[in-house]
Amino acid sequence: DGGITQSPKYLFRKEGQNVTLSCEQNLNHDAMYWYRQDPGQGLRLIYYSQIVNDFQKGDIAEGYSVSREKKESFPLTVTSAQKNPTAFYLCASRDLYGYTFGSGTRLTVV
Amino acid sequence: RKEVEQDPGPFNVPEGATVAFNCTYSNSASQSFFWYRQDCRKEPKLLMSVYSSGNEDGRFTAQLNRASQYISLLIRDSKLSDSATYLCVGGSTLGRLYFGRGTQLTVWP
Repeated sequence: DGGITQSPKYLFRKEGQNVTLSCEQNLNHDAMYWYRQDPGQGLRLIYYSQIVNDFQKGDIAEGYSVSREKKESFPLTVTSAQKNPTAFYLCASRDLYGYTFGSGTRLTVV
Repeated sequence: RKEVEQDPGPFNVPEGATVAFNCTYSNSASQSFFWYRQDCRKEPKLLMSVYSSGNEDGRFTAQLNRASQYISLLIRDSKLSDSATYLCVGGSTLGRLYFGRGTQLTVWP
């Protein structure tokens, strides 16, 4: 079955560490997105990529980095510069019919 | 001003009730509209697309009013399983989509 796979489901980060969240899709979609969701704040766009080897900052890109070396993969790195990284992170890809989301990664700073 | 705005609720209705959600969008150039459903601690899932002519899927009806720039979702004969947060989404056809903050619905027995 086609879909988006995010891993890990839960991730714990020590302060000062960089961590990378994985996002893989086999839907053959060109566009991929990373969102962050905090309670009561809805989804906020971190980065997006419309094609391989190209990506753009979203609304809250500071402290994050991405790469898009393959169509199927769009990993997100949460760097130590992100001061409040605890959140639910959602990866999505889209076609004409809307977004398909992965099941998300819950990141907690310990 | 946010691209997509919706009443966060919460809406608390009894089983069998009809409930309606509205949202507004600010960019008149937006072309694609959707309603997503998100259960607690889960990812959003597509409920239905919204077409200019209006569309229905079982107990759910979605409508788009381009002149007033609002989108609506009507749920008839509410079920307990309809309890969730409903996200209004709009944007360009193949580019970025903008999400409302979501409207929380609780259906009680």
